[in-house]
Amino acid sequence: AQRVTQPEKLLSVFKGAPVELKCNYSYSGSPELFWYVQYSRQRLQLLLRHISRESIKGFTADLNKGETSFHLKKPFAQEEDSAMYYCALNFNGYQLIWGAGTKLIIKP
Amino acid sequence: DVKVTQSSRYLVKRTGEKVFLECVQDMDHENMFWYRQDPGLGLRLIYFSYDVKMKEKGDIPEGYSVSREKKERFSLILESASTNQTSMYLCASSKSGQGRGTDTQYFGPGTRLTVL
Repeated sequence: AQRVTQPEKLLSVFKGAPVELKCNYSYSGSPELFWYVQYSRQRLQLLLRHISRESIKGFTADLNKGETSFHLKKPFAQEEDSAMYYCALNFNGYQLIWGAGTKLIIKP
Repeated sequence: DVKVTQSSRYLVKRTGEKVFLECVQDMDHENMFWYRQDPGLGLRLIYFSYDVKMKEKGDIPEGYSVSREKKERFSLILESASTNQTSMYLCASSKSGQGRGTDTQYFGPGTRLTVL
């Protein structure tokens, strides 16, 4: 069955430290994966998608099919990165399966 | 810029009441979704619609129904609200791709529903 796992409910790092938010998926086909972010009192929004291979706000995510992972990384955390992050998997063309989310706190 | 609006930011209802949550998008999107967002559970899909008058059950449709009479509007109905339906409800919309997979889902601000 399709599944997205974000093993960390909460991740706390100091400003300037590297950040890695983990996401593992279970899917038999060719996956299409996304990271969405929700800043405090803002609506949920797309951060990046793996097919774009882009860096948004300094974040990157590489699809590792061997490890079935799509971890989100940033080399130097900033306080404004504090937010809730969700990993999501497209499995049928328009529906997404969501991870439980990781709350990222950047300490000053 | 895509705009998804929800009728209320906060709503307080009593057990047994019928509750209507409305969502409107202004980008001519074919797909619309209703989710529940609960801490530790992520987003769970209640219902979605890929066209006017079309609806499909998501993962947790029990206790809910939906209506899509116009392309831009997707309503979530709680027929008889219960305390376990206290949650944040998110509406989203997306444009249908041409076999390329899911397009970006755009979200509304959410409705925090409390059922007493």
